[in-house]
Amino acid sequence: QSALTQPASVSGSPGQSITISCIGTSSDVGVYNYVSWYQQHPGKAPKLMIYDVSNRPSGVSIRFSGSKSGNTASLTISGLQAEDEADYYCSSYTYSSTPGVVFGGGTKLTVL
Amino acid sequence: QLQLQESGPGLVKPSETLSLTCTVSGGSVTRSSYYWGWIRQPPGKGLEWIGSVYYSGSTYYNPSLKSRVTISVDTSKNQFSLKLTSVAAADTCVYYCARQDYPGPTFDYWGQGTLVTVPS
Repeated sequence: QSALTQPASVSGSPGQSITISCIGTSSDVGVYNYVSWYQQHPGKAPKLMIYDVSNRPSGVSIRFSGSKSGNTASLTISGLQAEDEADYYCSSYTYSSTPGVVFGGGTKLTVL
Repeated sequence: QLQLQESGPGLVKPSETLSLTCTVSGGSVTRSSYYWGWIRQPPGKGLEWIGSVYYSGSTYYNPSLKSRVTISVDTSKNQFSLKLTSVAAADTCVYYCARQDYPGPTFDYWGQGTLVTVPS
C-alpha cells in the first residue's frame, strides 16, 4: 500500500475557495468510490468531513465538498473562514493483494 | 453520543510489546456493519492506518505492520485492543481508536488519542 499524494500546503484568503488534490492509483482512488477526507486541528483528533467521495456527515458545513476524476480525488472548501485553517487528509479503500485503508500525507491549509 | 477512549502505557521500552485498549461508550461494538480501527500518527507527521476488527473477531491489517500487529475485540467489556510487538523508536506515535463504517475508510467517531513513546 502506497500513500496517496497530496500537496504539502495550500493557502487562500477569507471568502475564497481552495481545492486540495489527492492522487491515488488504479488500486484505490481510481476504482473505488470509498474516499474520505479529514480535518485535523493541532492537538486534536481528526474529524470526518467527507465520505464516499462526496457525502457530508451531518453537521459538516456545505462549504465542504468532494469529487473524484480518475485516480484523483479533490476536496473543495468555499467561502474560506479562519477556522478552516488545519491539516487535511484524504483516505481511500485499497485492494491490491489484500484489502486495506491508505491515507494521504496531509495538506496544511493556511488562511491568509 | 458514541465515545471512544484509549488507555495504556505512555512509555514502552524498545523490543517490548505496546498494548492499548479502546473503551466504547454510548454504543455497542457489536453493531453490525461497523469495524473498529486503530490509526497512528508520528509527532508532526501524517496518519497511518494500523488495522481494524469486527465484533466477530474478523480482522484486516496494514501489510507494512501485519507481522507485528494483533487487534482483538472483547464484546463483554465493549472494548477492542491493539498489540504491537518488537517496538522501536519509529513506533513513537499518537495512537487513535475509531469506529469505521466498513468497507470504506470512513472513521466517523474517534478517541482523543494517546501518545506512546518508545525511547531510542
